Amino acid sequence: KNQVEQSPQSLIILEGKNCTLQCNYTVSPFSNLRWYKQDTGRGPVSLTIMTFSENTKSNGRYTATLDADTKQSSLHITASQLSDSASYICVVSGGTGGFKTIFGAGTRLFVKA
Amino acid sequence: KAGVTQTPRYLIKTRGQQVTLSCSPISGHRSVSWYQQTPGQGLQFLFEYFSETQRNKGNFPGRFSGRQFSNSRSEMNVSTLELGDSALYLCASSLAGRSEQYFGPGTRLTVT
Repeated sequence: KNQVEQSPQSLIILEGKNCTLQCNYTVSPFSNLRWYKQDTGRGPVSLTIMTFSENTKSNGRYTATLDADTKQSSLHITASQLSDSASYICVVSGGTGGFKTIFGAGTRLFVKA
Repeated sequence: KAGVTQTPRYLIKTRGQQVTLSCSPISGHRSVSWYQQTPGQGLQFLFEYFSETQRNKGNFPGRFSGRQFSNSRSEMNVSTLELGDSALYLCASSLAGRSEQYFGPGTRLTVT
């Protein structure tokens, strides 16, 4: 069964600190993996997209890594800011029996001053 | 280039009524996907349209339907509303289904 699991479910960190969010998936065959940031009440905004051949991609203070062998990805946020408070959603595309896009449940990040 | 727009942004309906939500994709994008987002379930895929044809469908009852027009604008309809239909409905557009998706701001539907 194609699944995407994210951890932790929620996270509280102090402003200026770093954090890492995890995403494990079972989607196969794999096409691509995306990380989205979603502010409360708004639509998700793409942070990074990676294909099978890519194992790291950065977008400012956001760095995503991908290990296609272990089917794991992480999103590292450096020097967190209050505006980083949001939900971070891992999305994996691929699968057999037709191309599918599977969304993880998200990690809710709270950055405190 | 203008982003994905959705109308209305907020909607309050009563159980049993029906509702139509609208999505205008980014100019040039031919694929439009719809998602339902609730606090407990996260994002759930409803359906995808490409060139006026439904290409994929999620696991939702027949009360949920959609269509796409020749200008790629899309509408989704929910009939016989239930309390559990209260959610944020998101529309995403892309050039061609498997490419990068861009989300609209969503329509917040509340069913009372």
